[in-house]
Amino acid sequence: ILNVEQSPQSLHVQEGDSTNFTCSFPSSNFYALHWYRWETAKSPEALFVMTLNGDEKKKGRISATLNTKEGYSYLYIKGSQPEDSATYLCAFTTGANNLFFGTGTRLTVIP
Amino acid sequence: KAGVTQTPRYLIKTRGQQVTLSCSPISGHRSVSWYQQTPGQGLQFLFEYFSETQRNKGNFPGRFSGRQFSNSRSEMNVSTLELGDSALYLCASQFLAGGNYEQYFGPGTRLTVT
Repeated sequence: ILNVEQSPQSLHVQEGDSTNFTCSFPSSNFYALHWYRWETAKSPEALFVMTLNGDEKKKGRISATLNTKEGYSYLYIKGSQPEDSATYLCAFTTGANNLFFGTGTRLTVIP
Repeated sequence: KAGVTQTPRYLIKTRGQQVTLSCSPISGHRSVSWYQQTPGQGLQFLFEYFSETQRNKGNFPGRFSGRQFSNSRSEMNVSTLELGDSALYLCASQFLAGGNYEQYFGPGTRLTVT
């Protein structure tokens, strides 16, 4: 079992604030790192798949960076909105399509 | 395109019973993975099926089993239920794109064992 850690566990921010959180994963046997957004009562939704060291991905106000050498990825949200409230999951894979998930960062954006 | 469906959505069983959960993937997707989420835990990988064959298996006891049919629908079975099996069970329909699997999750089945 591979250890994937996410921090912080939960986070409250004011609407309009920018925020970021971290995913740490083993730096050996890296194949890909996935980010998901999981809103309450919905299914996890894929945000990004990142494979190369130094990768940066962006979708609207959300972006992510990847450092495979040191084993971490950051997810950034610029100008948080209440609809960004969700749990953000990262998942690491060594190549086989079984993902090792972190426990997530629960983000609450206060209007 | 219809999404991933899971049935039932909620289920209450008694310790010692068995349960079967069903997952219908997105049309055309041949790979299905199953995950378990218990309170305080991340999603734990159970197994993955591709074209009716189990390709990968997570670290779960033999009470957890699954299968996939020719139409790609998948079932997972848990025998001799224990209280600790109470969890949300998610299935993911996936396909290979650019060397990586893109996963689409279903809404989950919430299993409560009493």
